[in-house]
Amino acid sequence: AQSVTQLDSQVPVFEEAPVELRCNYSSSVSVYLFWYVQYPNQGLQLLLKYLSGSTLVKGINGFEAEFNKSQTSFHLRKPSVHISDTAEYFCAVNLIQGAQKLVFGQGTRLTINP
Amino acid sequence: DTGVSQDPRHKITKRGQNVTFRCDPISEHNRLYWYRQTLGQGPEFLTYFQNEAQLEKSRLLSDRFSAERPKGSFSTLEIQRTEQGDSAMYLCASSPQSDTQYFGPGTRLTVL
Repeated sequence: AQSVTQLDSQVPVFEEAPVELRCNYSSSVSVYLFWYVQYPNQGLQLLLKYLSGSTLVKGINGFEAEFNKSQTSFHLRKPSVHISDTAEYFCAVNLIQGAQKLVFGQGTRLTINP
Repeated sequence: DTGVSQDPRHKITKRGQNVTFRCDPISEHNRLYWYRQTLGQGPEFLTYFQNEAQLEKSRLLSDRFSAERPKGSFSTLEIQRTEQGDSAMYLCASSPQSDTQYFGPGTRLTVL
């Protein structure tokens, strides 16, 4: 079975500061990796995904993530955050084969302070 | 591209009542998923359809839950005899025959 651990439940940062949201996963087989963002009372929006190839992937809104196979991590980064980045962020994995159901971490609440 | 839509967005019901939610996926997406998200948690998989066939169900989906996708397009999720523990956000997602799932806005259920 697959599992995802988001190491920080809350991350407060000041506007224009850099941020890193940490994600570790566990799986005995190959997986795809995703980051989704959820604004209050809304569904999930895909930020970025890693399928194969370059381990550094770029997404929307200036976010990027790096896949590290040896450390089984997929940390999300942004060099300079804005107030509008305040949201809940979810890391997820799914199997490359079969139903490809997503397994999510518990989420990290990113709060941007002015 | 109109995105995934869900109806209703909010539902308040009394314990013991039945409720039904609808999901309209992105046109021509043959895969459809239902997830449940409780407060402060990540979404959890409930069930998956490929076209009209329900191919996988989670153990979270008790006998009181049933999902259908009769013509391989929209899907419904019904909860019978609701309990307070059913209060959650119910999310629908669709996917073409590929890796990425696109989520709807969700239906928030409150059971009093």
